[in-house]
Amino acid sequence: SAVISQKPSRDICQRGTSLTIQCQVDSQVTMMFWYRQQPGQSLTLIATANQGSEATYESGFVIDKFPISRPNLTFSTLTVSNMSPEDSSIYLCSARLGAWAYNEQFFGPGTRLTVL
Amino acid sequence: QKEVEQNSGPLSVPEGAIASLNCTYSDRVSQSFFWYRQYSGKSPELIMSIYSNGDKEDGRFTAQLNKASQYVSLLIRDSQPSDSATYLCAVIDGYSGGGADGLTFGKGTHLIIQP
Repeated sequence: SAVISQKPSRDICQRGTSLTIQCQVDSQVTMMFWYRQQPGQSLTLIATANQGSEATYESGFVIDKFPISRPNLTFSTLTVSNMSPEDSSIYLCSARLGAWAYNEQFFGPGTRLTVL
Repeated sequence: QKEVEQNSGPLSVPEGAIASLNCTYSDRVSQSFFWYRQYSGKSPELIMSIYSNGDKEDGRFTAQLNKASQYVSLLIRDSQPSDSATYLCAVIDGYSGGGADGLTFGKGTHLIIQP
């Protein structure tokens, strides 16, 4: 398995501001992903963080709102831009150890974001 | 639009009994399947993965996959109060070749093991 850490663990932000969430994996991984879990809901994939190229976003998520970086095989950031209360959620980083679809994916502890 | 369906529960099972959790999926292209356990306030923890038809056992857990029926299940034997959690079913396209696909999750089943 992989050990994944995220910073910050939680934050309270004002409407209109931006927050950058960091994700660090303890080993080199092929794939990294960002998910959102809204209160009382399941996980929704935001995007795949591609190393060395632009992230691949799911329907309903755009780069201007959720810019993602992945400068190397162990680190990624997700920025939540121009926040509104609807962005209050838990944001989770995930890593897949191999290149195959059946390889296991592991999750970080999450970042709990509250927007006032 | 890929869909993963789970009964939200709560599913209440007496301690020591078998808990049976079910999941159906809409996309026949889906090939790999995962069960995660999520305790309240925590992130999902991987329990098992399965991609071949049939059963896969790991300790007290057994995953069952039937691709013809587009159905995957998780059995928990000798259920313990510590098994009380939300169980998430997740699917992904593709068996080999990877690609950029992340997981599509069901809404989860809330399991309660009664002492």
